[in-house]
Amino acid sequence: EAQVTQNPRYLITVTGKKLTVTCSQNMNHEYMSWYRQDPGLGLRQIYYSMNVEVTDKGDVPEGYKVSRKEKRNFPLILESPSPNQTSLYFCASKWTGGNYGYTFGSGTRLTVV
Amino acid sequence: QKEVEQNSGPLSVPEGAIASLNCTYSDRGSQSFFWYRQYSGKSPELIMFIYSNGDKEDGRFTAQLNKASQYVSLLIRDSQPSDSATYLCAVGLDRGSTLGRLYFGRGTQLTVWP
Repeated sequence: EAQVTQNPRYLITVTGKKLTVTCSQNMNHEYMSWYRQDPGLGLRQIYYSMNVEVTDKGDVPEGYKVSRKEKRNFPLILESPSPNQTSLYFCASKWTGGNYGYTFGSGTRLTVV
Repeated sequence: QKEVEQNSGPLSVPEGAIASLNCTYSDRGSQSFFWYRQYSGKSPELIMFIYSNGDKEDGRFTAQLNKASQYVSLLIRDSQPSDSATYLCAVGLDRGSTLGRLYFGRGTQLTVWP
């Protein structure tokens, strides 16, 4: 089954404790992206990657890191999480052309206390 | 900044009615347009896409695009309670530094009551 798999689904952590949210897709998509979704603010892009070793900042990259060492994986790293990073996070992938829509992962609900 | 605007709603329609969801966008170079449905606590699900001016129909859903007015809409005919969700409009460009990026509106919450 074609899918984007995120882990974990739920995570509660403490301020400053480094964490990684994993994302993997099995559709051979070049383009992968991370979004956060907050009430009233919609989906905001954190980082995206157009292919292996090619990443760029989205609209809200502060406090996040990403890497794209393999085509299928695109982990999101929070090196020192803060409470304002409490949010619902989605990983998504697509073919690079603008005419293609995203396939989204199931989401990761992160709480930083 | 690529602006994609949607009426936040909530939009409330009775079962069997037509629900009309609207979206405007700021970049005239936009080339692809998507509608996603998102149930509460779930991930967005692609339901329609359109690239050319005019209408595109898929079952009970019709997407309408007017590039001159920078306007895209989604009509849901014979609305059902199961259509109650937030609908996200997304716009794609296909050039330069924006290649591949999709820009999302904040969504319109739709409630269909029995």
